[in-house]
Amino acid sequence: AQSVTQLGSHVSVSEGALVLLRCNYSSSVPPYLFWYVQYPNQGLQLLLKYTSAATLVKGINGFEAEFKKSETSFHLTKPSAHMSDAAEYFCAVSDTAGGKLIFGQGTELSVKP
Amino acid sequence: GAVVSQHPSRVICKSGTSVKIECRSLDFQATTMFWYRQFPKQSLMLMATSNEGSKATYEQGVEKDKFLINHASLTLSTLTVTSAHPEDSSFYICSAKMGRSNTGELFFGEGSRLTVL
Repeated sequence: AQSVTQLGSHVSVSEGALVLLRCNYSSSVPPYLFWYVQYPNQGLQLLLKYTSAATLVKGINGFEAEFKKSETSFHLTKPSAHMSDAAEYFCAVSDTAGGKLIFGQGTELSVKP
Repeated sequence: GAVVSQHPSRVICKSGTSVKIECRSLDFQATTMFWYRQFPKQSLMLMATSNEGSKATYEQGVEKDKFLINHASLTLSTLTVTSAHPEDSSFYICSAKMGRSNTGELFFGEGSRLTVL
């Protein structure tokens, strides 16, 4: 069975500050890991994904995440937050690149001016 | 990029009626589609996996007679909420897998918000 835990349901940062959203996973097989962003009343947009290639994954909008097997983590970071980054972020795991996704609880990111 | 469209985006219905939500892959063929529901301020919960030409696979705890899923073509899957009740009010999101292999990328629809009065 697979599962995802996102630490912190709400993270608040100042504009220009580092963004760090935490994700830990559990998987009995090599995982495929994803980060999605959701704006209010909209679907999900893929930020980045780990599919067993490079452990440091770069995504859209300046986001990146590092796969750390020893820590079973896949934390999302961005060096400098923008107001437009305020949204809900979901970490997800799958046993294949195109299989069903198991989502974490989500982290709401607020960006203060 | 690939586009997945859901219709309607919002629907309000009376208790006891049935509502159909469509999920279409507009520019690619999707042999597999997934249906999720999302309660306010909560995560997405997988409801079922829809495979073209075969019966959907439902997750534990999801009533298959309540949530009817049909995947009749490679570009369309439908979710019908039968005899809807207020507790069925939710945000329903579909995703479609491009291609037939397990490495096919997933694309999400914009979601459909159902309100049952």
